[in-house]
Amino acid sequence: QVQLVQSGVEVKKPGASVKVSCKASGYPFISYGINWVRQAPGQGLEWMGWISNYNGNTKYAQKFQGRVTMTTDTSTSTAYMELRSLRSDDTAVYYCAREGEGMDVWGQGTTVTISS
Amino acid sequence: SYELTQPPSVSVSPGQTARITCSGDAFPNQYAYWYQQKSGQAPVVVIYKDSARPSGIPERFSGSRSGTTVTLTISGVQAEDEADYYCQSPDSSDTYWVFGGGTKLTVL
Repeated sequence: QVQLVQSGVEVKKPGASVKVSCKASGYPFISYGINWVRQAPGQGLEWMGWISNYNGNTKYAQKFQGRVTMTTDTSTSTAYMELRSLRSDDTAVYYCAREGEGMDVWGQGTTVTISS
Repeated sequence: SYELTQPPSVSVSPGQTARITCSGDAFPNQYAYWYQQKSGQAPVVVIYKDSARPSGIPERFSGSRSGTTVTLTISGVQAEDEADYYCQSPDSSDTYWVFGGGTKLTVL
């Protein structure tokens, strides 16, 4: 079946970096882009950016420009999101979501906690 | 930056109709999408391109647009519909996605 499976829980110190993976299966990987969306505790959804799995083109939300890098590995059907210079307010659940008819397939989420 | 405005909460009794609105300046030219998020779960798209319903989404979910406001309507609300609902659209230049702040639907 069509699914996105994300990497596990991360705990990081302020100033560190985190790299979250999102492995796709059940559909042609390069035919759909991947969005990254995060949700801080008790808060709403926040779009971080998008990557084309066809050619690697990216769009990043202005808030994260310079601090986020999204990449893709077509050989393993895996998308990655790296966030640098982590702060306490980066504590959130990070989701990958396929861009089909809307964001039609979501990963299970990866909890990233920033704590000294 | 572009914003989408939703009411923080809506409450209805079972069997009634719930309407959740979302306002945004780009709506005359951009599609709206709606997501349902139940507690502790990933979001699920319930409406795409203003009014289209993905397979597997019950017919009681519908979407509409009037000017700069889009509306998610849930007819005959059931207890299982209690969730947070988010609208979404691209900005007017199709550069980035924006989510509304979310509406908590409570089934009384």
